[in-house]
Amino acid sequence: DAGVIQSPRHEVTEMGQEVTLRCKPISGHNSLFWYRQTMMRGLELLIYFNNNVPIDDSGMPEDRFSAKMPNASFSTLKIQPSEPRDSAVYFCASSLLFSTIGPPLDQPQHFGDGTRLSIL
Amino acid sequence: QKEVEQNSGPLSVPEGAIASLNCTYSDRGSQSFFWYRQYSGKSPELIMFIYSNGDKEDGRFTAQLNKASQYVSLLIRDSQPSDSATYLCAVKGSNYKLTFGKGTLLTVNP
Repeated sequence: DAGVIQSPRHEVTEMGQEVTLRCKPISGHNSLFWYRQTMMRGLELLIYFNNNVPIDDSGMPEDRFSAKMPNASFSTLKIQPSEPRDSAVYFCASSLLFSTIGPPLDQPQHFGDGTRLSIL
Repeated sequence: QKEVEQNSGPLSVPEGAIASLNCTYSDRGSQSFFWYRQYSGKSPELIMFIYSNGDKEDGRFTAQLNKASQYVSLLIRDSQPSDSATYLCAVKGSNYKLTFGKGTLLTVNP
């Protein structure tokens, strides 16, 4: 089975430019997560979707960041305009969340290979 | 703020020894607990997950959970140089979001 697929693997661009990161989740998974990893802050959740709907975007640092999930097999994370402090590795992860009578249960998250973003 | 704390390390053990990695968390409503391994320059890879108090064993790995003490650990028996990596503890809190610790760097010396 194909895992979570992210593109590009590396992105180097100048500050002020628009950056678009892409993610294809594992087929059949209905939850998708965007994370950012830096040495200082570790792995931080930016936003997550369930059934293509954004559920929690409280981790999105500011209005320059936006994310969309137009269908079950594709999501984008966009930064406009980009700044040097946005340099990090961005990971996409997916999992299967299923509802029960009680709290929803989910399978563990599986990560893509990440996009290493450098803003000059 | 939901917090997950880990010793940053590095933790250095000789080959064949037991490596013990520890994690504490602040959210008493946390339900699920995960250990991920991350090699340098790679993505996190799930090793173990545990939901109930006690021990869960999978091969050379044992996860231990004590909800009363808000403590979860990972034991690696017969450590191998290939186990050298950063180990991330992740906790799914009462808000169903996954919070990661900053990781413990483990070095297994041949």
